[in-house]
Amino acid sequence: QSALTQPPSASGSPGQSVTISCTGTSSDVGGYNYVSWYQQHPGKGPKVMIYEVSKRPSGVPDRFSGSKSGNTASLTVSGLQAEDEADYYCSSYAGSNNVLFGGGTKLTVL
Amino acid sequence: QVQLVESGGGVVQPGRSLRLSCAASGFTFSRSGMFWVRQAPGKGLEWVAVIWYDGSQEYYTDSVKGRFTISRDNSKNTLYLQMNSLRAEDTAVYYCARGMRGNTYYYGMDVWGQGTTVTVSS
Repeated sequence: QSALTQPPSASGSPGQSVTISCTGTSSDVGGYNYVSWYQQHPGKGPKVMIYEVSKRPSGVPDRFSGSKSGNTASLTVSGLQAEDEADYYCSSYAGSNNVLFGGGTKLTVL
Repeated sequence: QVQLVESGGGVVQPGRSLRLSCAASGFTFSRSGMFWVRQAPGKGLEWVAVIWYDGSQEYYTDSVKGRFTISRDNSKNTLYLQMNSLRAEDTAVYYCARGMRGNTYYYGMDVWGQGTTVTVSS
């Protein structure tokens, strides 16, 4: 199984919104509502920001939102802040106890 | 607080073995499925293995099947990854992570450790 497809980079100015896409197939993203998004700062372990497509864990700002249409999931960060600059990874359940990750997107706050 | 702390990484020659450990605290480890996830230098995340909360089921990504074994000791709140026949392409930071459970499987990770580095080189 191939990794999910994410753009390598995204950027926005403080206060703006940015959306990161995550494209898979009907066997993973399109087949299950089990898409998650993770934020990773340099040298740190990942942190879950969104799970089950659009649910936010306690403590994650509501500036982060998730959605899905067909085989593509999206993470939107509204009201960009400097501390949002990080790498973002999507993941999806892919059946048969497999989990696929995207290649990651480096978000730059200009 | 909820915490996962990995240990056991290091530099090892190709073909040799290494065992990673992950100490869990702040949550009921014996009720949690657990993952190992790795990240090669400058690369993205890759799921390696998952084990059910009671150790009854374990699954592996194709590239490590037959070489890696995930296990756990619920009495010690500790997760393990035994890595045999190591290859250069196994070089990565290895993270342990708590699983998020779907219907009958674990689909993602909601708590992550800081990782331990494994370098396979002669």
